[in-house]
Amino acid sequence: NAGVTQTPKFQVLKTGQSMTLQCAQDMNHNSMYWYRQDPGMGLRLIYYSASEGTTDKGEVPNGYNVSRLNKREFSLRLESAAPSQTSVYFCASSSGSGRRIGEQYFGPGTRLTVT
Amino acid sequence: AQSVTQLDSQVPVFEEAPVELRCNYSSSVSVYLFWYVQYPNQGLQLLLKYLSGSTLVKGINGFEAEFNKSQTSFHLRKPSVHISDTAEYFCAVRPPQGGKLIFGQGTELSVKP
Repeated sequence: NAGVTQTPKFQVLKTGQSMTLQCAQDMNHNSMYWYRQDPGMGLRLIYYSASEGTTDKGEVPNGYNVSRLNKREFSLRLESAAPSQTSVYFCASSSGSGRRIGEQYFGPGTRLTVT
Repeated sequence: AQSVTQLDSQVPVFEEAPVELRCNYSSSVSVYLFWYVQYPNQGLQLLLKYLSGSTLVKGINGFEAEFNKSQTSFHLRKPSVHISDTAEYFCAVRPPQGGKLIFGQGTELSVKP
């Protein structure tokens, strides 16, 4: 049981390049999330998927797109990377119900640098 | 809309001393409350949560938190910290009927020998 996995762990991009961050969970959770973490700003929600087949914008969606490929996988795409997107990106999942309501399980993060 | 304020960005403390990390929230409706911990170069993991019932909640690693509705606070405490408690701690809220977690800015706890 791996929980939430993210690839890659590290990435360096040049301005204007594109890339996709991958996330998968093996806990049969309905909901998945993408956050970015910047010093002094906590975690900010980029996009989330409440269930398979649905996606919604979070607090900071500009410059990103997402795909909920199936129940397990939720990817985040940067179409044209900018230095302002240098950050640590976390994927999370939650069941959304029962005694684990509200609990989110996080992946180890992807450290992205855009030069 | 909900918001969360963690009143201290950094808390240095000596090993075996008690610690309190402060969290205040703003909401016009009732909320669920959470504390998460992030060890260096790792993702976040749940420490404890308050949904309803007893206002004193116990979590992992000897941490506890007290929900105070009148002061809209959910402060995290530990009576005696270890070096291994050095980490960043995040308070978060979410309405019971569903929706997104709203995180505070985080508090860096640094435990010194």
